[in-house]
Amino acid sequence: ETGVTQSPTHLIKTRGQQVTLRCSSQSGHNTVSWYQQALGQGPQFIFQYYREEENGRGNFPPRFSGLQFPNYSSELNVNALELDDSALYLCASSLAPGATQPQHFGDGTRLSIL
Amino acid sequence: EDQVTQSPEALRLQEGESSSLNCSYTVSGLRGLFWYRQDPGKGPEFLFTLYSAGEEKEKERLKATLTKKESFLHITAPKPEDSATYLCAVHWVSQGGSEKLVFGKGTKLTVNP
Repeated sequence: ETGVTQSPTHLIKTRGQQVTLRCSSQSGHNTVSWYQQALGQGPQFIFQYYREEENGRGNFPPRFSGLQFPNYSSELNVNALELDDSALYLCASSLAPGATQPQHFGDGTRLSIL
Repeated sequence: EDQVTQSPEALRLQEGESSSLNCSYTVSGLRGLFWYRQDPGKGPEFLFTLYSAGEEKEKERLKATLTKKESFLHITAPKPEDSATYLCAVHWVSQGGSEKLVFGKGTKLTVNP
């Protein structure tokens, strides 16, 4: 069984730039969620994708956007990067949409904004 | 106001010294409570889901329990490999009908040999 994989593992950007992070879901999982985890904090929900549509969103501005592809993989795009966007970005997949099913996480992308 | 609070923030134990971690929540309409373990530089690893007060789940040295407003993660005779940050997450439905999943900040557990 293949777990959740994310790429890249680390990334350095400057303010104002744009970034795309990628995620392959665990085999058999059709739902992908994205989280932002600042140092010393718990993960914060950004949004969830199911059947290539956004299925719920947390308190993040529109410059955070995403995509899900027919093979259930997903991308997180962030425009106009700000210093506060520096964080670990986690992707999680689950068997079904919503939050009832346990989330299975990848090891994240560490994004640093200079 | 935090909806999910974990305590203590950090805990140091000697190998074999049992203890408990706490996760308290203020939301109503709980649908489920999840416990995860997170090692440095890794994503959270799923441990347990609890759905109703009185429910208990066990895995090796860990036992999770749930009451109406809090959950405990009991660690019996811990080993150094149990050192990690333990996160709880609460799933509920808001008054507006939308599902929410909120994580606590975690408890960093260190077990010394």
